[in-house]
Amino acid sequence: EAQVTQNPRYLITVTGKKLTVTCSQNMNHEYMSWYRQDPGLGLRQIYYSMNVEVTDKGDVPEGYKVSRKEKRNFPLILESPSPNQTSLYFCASSSLVQTGTKNIQYFGAGTRLSVL
Amino acid sequence: KQEVTQIPAALSVPEGENLVLNCSFTDSAIYNLQWFRQDPGKGLTSLLLIQSSQREQTSGRLNASLDKSSGRSTLYIAASQPGDSATYLCAVIKAAGNKLTFGGGTRVLVKP
Repeated sequence: EAQVTQNPRYLITVTGKKLTVTCSQNMNHEYMSWYRQDPGLGLRQIYYSMNVEVTDKGDVPEGYKVSRKEKRNFPLILESPSPNQTSLYFCASSSLVQTGTKNIQYFGAGTRLSVL
Repeated sequence: KQEVTQIPAALSVPEGENLVLNCSFTDSAIYNLQWFRQDPGKGLTSLLLIQSSQREQTSGRLNASLDKSSGRSTLYIAASQPGDSATYLCAVIKAAGNKLTFGGGTRVLVKP
């Protein structure tokens, strides 16, 4: 079954305590990305990756880091979380548009993060 | 910069009525358009994907149309049911890239 798996699903932490949200996909997709969803602001892209070791900033990258050491994994790292990073986070994966495929986007179930 | 708008932001209908959800985008150079469903606090489920060369896609009670030249897509849900209550999001991928740009969503309530 095609899946994007995020962990943890819920996380409460305190300001400044480093955390990592993991994301894994089983579809051999090249493209992976992270979004945050906030009321009134919708879904905004944080970072994306077009392949192993290829990552780039999205619309709201400040305060976040990512890595893509393996094709299936794309963790999101908050080195020093702050309260304004309290949000609902989604990981997504798809094939590349350049491959000419349908490019259906698959999303994880989400991680609800609260930074106190 | 691509902008995607969904109007109305919220919609309430009695059970059995047909739903019409609108999505507009400013840049017609898109690769595809995708409709998603999101239940409260949950992830996004892909409903329909329309390639830029297509005019419509159908799946069961769902039908999505695309008019690329006017920058519009419409999602029709026939004979609505209370289980259709959710937020519906449209998103486009531009022709030269892989990034999804989302609309703000339409929150739908179907009353029994």
